[in-house]
Amino acid sequence: DADVTQTPRNRITKTGKRIMLECSQTKGHDRMYWYRQDPGLGLRLIYYSFDVKDINKGEISDGYSVSRQAQAKFSLSLESAIPNQTALYFCATSDPGTPTNGYTFGSGTRLTVV
Amino acid sequence: KQEVTQIPAALSVPEGENLVLNCSFTDSAIYNLQWFRQDPGKGLTSLLLIQSSQREQTSGRLNASLDKSSGRSTLYIAASQPGDSATYLCAVRPVETSGSRLTFGEGTQLTVNP
Repeated sequence: DADVTQTPRNRITKTGKRIMLECSQTKGHDRMYWYRQDPGLGLRLIYYSFDVKDINKGEISDGYSVSRQAQAKFSLSLESAIPNQTALYFCATSDPGTPTNGYTFGSGTRLTVV
Repeated sequence: KQEVTQIPAALSVPEGENLVLNCSFTDSAIYNLQWFRQDPGKGLTSLLLIQSSQREQTSGRLNASLDKSSGRSTLYIAASQPGDSATYLCAVRPVETSGSRLTFGEGTQLTVNP
């Protein structure tokens, strides 16, 4: 099983719909992140969480919300999807207490808003 | 604000060549630097992580170097193979202050021709 699992893998939704992307991890890491990737723009941070009670906005949080349901689960919601939210979304984890550990990424969710 | 640049944006080489991918960053106050591989439409796979106190890391045919003072890292791939074709991303993690968010470069798209 993958260390970081994202569901769904692909999703097509209509403008205005609410959609949730889910992420679960078996790494035991406290820190979790949501990034989006767009061609020519690289990966940009949407939200991050250092523990269940700590949620922080990243550089492009507008139009998104998150929920940290447990140490292992971090979900990203689009309350009212719009076409420019079409992108590849990645969840990641990290453990700052282990210097040799980097980030672990999920396989991504490809979201298309039509 | 940290900026990460990768050169070249794309590279095409014949099989068997040794090659170097470049990554530069503007703020030398980094905790570590991580190289990732991304296959089309897929997630990120961590290749190598270099701590700020290290000069290089090696894994198989891959060697990553870090010159923190000049803000540069290189990824050396020896005896390239068609299976190495992918996009290579470098990401820097800042010194632990308010967070540990990665800043990504836009990647180098590598094609190794048989």
